[in-house]
Amino acid sequence: DVKVTQSSRYLVKRTGEKVFLECVQDMDHENMFWYRQDPGLGLRLIYFSYDVKMKEKGDIPEGYSVSREKKERFSLILESASTNQTSMYLCASSLLTSGSGWQETQYFGPGTRLLVL
Amino acid sequence: SQQGEEDPQALSIQEGENATMNCSYKTSINNLQWYRQNSGRGLVHLILIRSNEREKHSGRLRVTLDTSKKSSSLLITASRAADTASYFCATDSNSGYALNFGKGTSLLVTP
Repeated sequence: DVKVTQSSRYLVKRTGEKVFLECVQDMDHENMFWYRQDPGLGLRLIYFSYDVKMKEKGDIPEGYSVSREKKERFSLILESASTNQTSMYLCASSLLTSGSGWQETQYFGPGTRLLVL
Repeated sequence: SQQGEEDPQALSIQEGENATMNCSYKTSINNLQWYRQNSGRGLVHLILIRSNEREKHSGRLRVTLDTSKKSSSLLITASRAADTASYFCATDSNSGYALNFGKGTSLLVTP
């Protein structure tokens, strides 16, 4: 059974703190993604990675960075947390996109609900 | 950037009824996927339909795709209270890796 795990379900941090959100997948997937989900805005892509040490900006990368040192682990870093980063953070993984250009199914973790005070 | 847009935003039906959700998108796609999200949880993949397919079934789910109208529909037949969730359509993006998700349809099935 495929599995994507996230380090915390709930997290409370203070403004200015450095925050690490960890995501691990056990499916040997090449692609990993970080989204944030806010009411009325849906899912928005922050960063994604298609290989170890490779990363690409998504639609809203400002205020975030990522790290992918191992294939199974993709970390999202909030360098200096701000209240507008209070959100639900979702990690996902997928197989490498086929040569035809068709995106594969994404498998999601349970999410981390982050509150920045 | 979001491409898919679900309609309606919210839907309330009774158990046993059918639920239909629609998704419209703007640019050409290779495939379209539907996902489900229970409250406060991650998304779960339901079904994927390729651009050269017109209809696909999976259990009580039926998905159609009309590339000429740039739209898709998800039909859940004989709905159950456990079907209560948000449903999202997702289309492939220019990056070739990520998906573009819509804002979702919130479905409430009452016993």
